[in-house]
Amino acid sequence: AQSVTQLDSHVSVSEGTPVLLRCNYSSSYSPSLFWYVQHPNKGLQLLLKYTSAATLVKGINGFEAEFKKSETSFHLTKPSAHMSDAAEYFCVVSEHPIIQGAQKLVFGQGTRLTINP
Amino acid sequence: SAVISQKPSRDICQRGTSLTIQCQVDSQVTMMFWYRQQPGQSLTLIATANQGSEATYESGFVIDKFPISRPNLTFSTLTVSNMSPEDSSIYLCSTDRTGAPYGYTFGSGTRLTVV
Repeated sequence: AQSVTQLDSHVSVSEGTPVLLRCNYSSSYSPSLFWYVQHPNKGLQLLLKYTSAATLVKGINGFEAEFKKSETSFHLTKPSAHMSDAAEYFCVVSEHPIIQGAQKLVFGQGTRLTINP
Repeated sequence: SAVISQKPSRDICQRGTSLTIQCQVDSQVTMMFWYRQQPGQSLTLIATANQGSEATYESGFVIDKFPISRPNLTFSTLTVSNMSPEDSSIYLCSTDRTGAPYGYTFGSGTRLTVV
């Protein structure tokens, strides 16, 4: 079974400084990986996705993530944090290769990002 | 990407009653998924709903408690039955229909409080 571990439950950075949210996964094959963001009282929004193409994935709002198979990691980064980035972030892995059709997703426990002025 | 309309957005219900949550997708989709997000927790899959067949439930979830309907390729409902305060959560639906290459779209969620 696939699994996801988000290494930090809470990350706090100052506005304008870099953001790093860490994610490790476990999979018996080349997985599809996602990062979602959930703002307070809002739904889930897809930030970016990795599906066996380029290992460096660029997403919305200046976020990007790098798939490192040797480290089984998919960390999310942003060069400069903005106050609007404060939210809950979820690293997600698909249970089976997406190319086999729609598959259920396995969510990490989430990382709460706080931005200090 | 597909757009999902989910309703109600929130509700406060008495224990012992039932609530039906609806999700409408703006295009035909193969599978729909229902998730629960308990307070301060991550999302947990309840069941997968495929049109024309019975839903497939994850461990810890049963049809009597969470009956699901999937009458066509654009619509699904989840009922939370005989509610207790422990059912207070956000419930979200999701689908696989996306723009290329892949990704999943979620409804805005239903915030349920059981009193």
